[in-house]
This record gives sequence, C-alpha cells and structure tokens, in this order.
Amino acid sequence: KAGVTQTPRYLIKTRGQQVTLSCSPISGHRSVSWYQQTPGQGLQFLFEYFSETQRNKGNFPGRFSGRQFSNSRSEMNVSTLELGDSALYLCASSTGRSPGEQYFGPGTRLTVT
Amino acid sequence: GQQVMQIPQYQHVQEGEDFTTYCNSSTTLSNIQWYKQRPGGHPVFLIQLVKSGEVKKQKRLTFQFGEAKKNSSLHITATQTTDVGTYFCADVSNFGNEKLTFGTGTRLTIIP
Repeated sequence: KAGVTQTPRYLIKTRGQQVTLSCSPISGHRSVSWYQQTPGQGLQFLFEYFSETQRNKGNFPGRFSGRQFSNSRSEMNVSTLELGDSALYLCASSTGRSPGEQYFGPGTRLTVT
Repeated sequence: GQQVMQIPQYQHVQEGEDFTTYCNSSTTLSNIQWYKQRPGGHPVFLIQLVKSGEVKKQKRLTFQFGEAKKNSSLHITATQTTDVGTYFCADVSNFGNEKLTFGTGTRLTIIP
C-alpha cells in the first residue's frame, strides 16, 4: 500500500501571501489530520477531517483552514502568512476508528520570509 | 489546557546502555500512543496503550502506562545506533475523533 503523500515538500513564501498544502491519505483511510511542527512549540494539532467534515480543531487562528474531498484527499490553507508560520506541516491519515494508529506523511517544509 | 511533558528533553547514551523517557500529563490520559521520529523524518507509530497499568514489549522496547493513567514510560534496553531519534508520547482522544496531543519529546543520541 502506498503511504501518505504530501505536496509540495518544500515551499518558500513571502509574508502576507497565502499557501495551499495537499495531502493524499493511505487508500481506504477516511480521517486526515494536520499538525504543525516547530522547534519551539513542538507538534501541535491543527484540525482533523473525516468524511469531508471537520471533526476537531486545534487552537490556531482562522487564517488556518482546511478541507477534505470525497476521495479523502485533504488540503490545508494558510492565508496572510506570518514569519511565525514557518514550520514543518505534517498530515496523518487513519481509518477514523478511534483511538487509531496515525500514519504520517513526510511533511511540507514551509519557510516564510 | 492539557499539557503533556516528557523528561528528559535530551539524552545522550553510550551504545549498549539503557534509555528511559517519561511522559507526564496534567490531566488523566485517555489512551497513550508512542511515536519515533528519526532526524529529518516524520513520526512513526510504535505502540498504543489503553489500560491502566498496561505493559507492552517490542523486542528491546518496553512501554508502560501508569496506574492512574497520568503518566507513561518507554524503556529501551541495550541501545543501538538505529535507536537514534526523538520519541514522542501522545494522548489520543477516545471520543470519536483523532486528535493527538503530543508530548514535548525526548531526543536520543547514541555515542558509538
């Protein structure tokens, strides 16, 4: 089975721009979660989608949004980028039956200048 | 909000020595998962503990869930260079969603 894929792997953006990151889960997985990883804050939960519905949300500002499509692929959008948004963004997929093992993708490294 | 702390933050051990990381929560944990992240890599699932006092073993790794479900530990016996990485514990909700609250992580380096 193919693993979780994320595109792009690396991204450089300017402050004030917006960015869209993509995640393709493992075939058959209906849950996709997004995490932000930084040296200072560690791994922080952004949100989780299951069957195209947001099931849970972390403590991030409204500039961070996401969606999930009928094929379970998910996108994450960050608008009005700030320098502090520079991070590794990881998505993870699972079957959606809690509590379940999460399979992480390789991540997208976002740098905001 | 919930805080999940891990100690130590860093650990350097000689190859062959044992290693332990401790995970402590400010609130009762629902279920604990452990992940390993190699340098430059992504978290990889190791194990899940759900019952109070549960102990599970995977070869040289021993995982324990505290009796009060407020702490957990991972012990590695006779470390090898392949054990290098950051070990995270994560509380995972039992209530129909997949939110993980990750611990702060312990970075393990091995001195050959």
